[in-house]
Amino acid sequence: GESVGLHLPTLSVQEGDNSIINCAYSNSASDYFIWYKQESGKGPQFIIDIRSNMDKRQGQRVTVLLNKTVKHLSLQIAATQPGDSAVYFCAENPPSSASKIIFGSGTRLSIRP
Amino acid sequence: GAGVSQSPRYKVAKRGQDVALRCDPISGHVSLFWYQQALGQGPEFLTYFQNEAQLDKSGLPSDRFFAERPEGSVSTLKIQRTQQEDSAVYLCASSLGQGAPSYEQYFGPGTRLTVT
Repeated sequence: GESVGLHLPTLSVQEGDNSIINCAYSNSASDYFIWYKQESGKGPQFIIDIRSNMDKRQGQRVTVLLNKTVKHLSLQIAATQPGDSAVYFCAENPPSSASKIIFGSGTRLSIRP
Repeated sequence: GAGVSQSPRYKVAKRGQDVALRCDPISGHVSLFWYQQALGQGPEFLTYFQNEAQLDKSGLPSDRFFAERPEGSVSTLKIQRTQQEDSAVYLCASSLGQGAPSYEQYFGPGTRLTVT
């Protein structure tokens, strides 16, 4: 079936360092991917997205990389700040449904002062 | 501006009770989505509305779950005869355009349902 998974459930990063959160997806036909940030007690918040015709997309302090060959997605956060502490989810839009987004199980990012 | 709001924020129900969860999407947003998020997991898609039409309900786990959006704005997710496995956070999201995921989905804070 369709699934999106993550390599690591938790990640601890020194404040100011760069964070890299990884994600593997299973459906090679998926053509749209999204990263969300979820803080405690809140709903997921859109961070950045990427389509399968791109390898890289940059936002403000964030970069998403897509490797279609190995079906791997990563989120890079530059100069990690305390406010970046949250659970990060990758999500994909499967080709079987135009309306559905499938979320992975998430990576908790914690920041060391 | 106002985001997506959900009520109640917390709901405790005894097993077998019916519950109704409300979602107020961002004004003017065409699309509305419901998700179920178990503890420590990512949200799982339940159903999708485009205006008042329910176009995809493939994620509803059983016929005890029912969603409606009669006037194309506010939506209600109803769960009949609640069971303990229904305990989760129920998230609502809305987006400006038609259909995910071309348009950014804005999520509400969720309703945490606990079935005892």
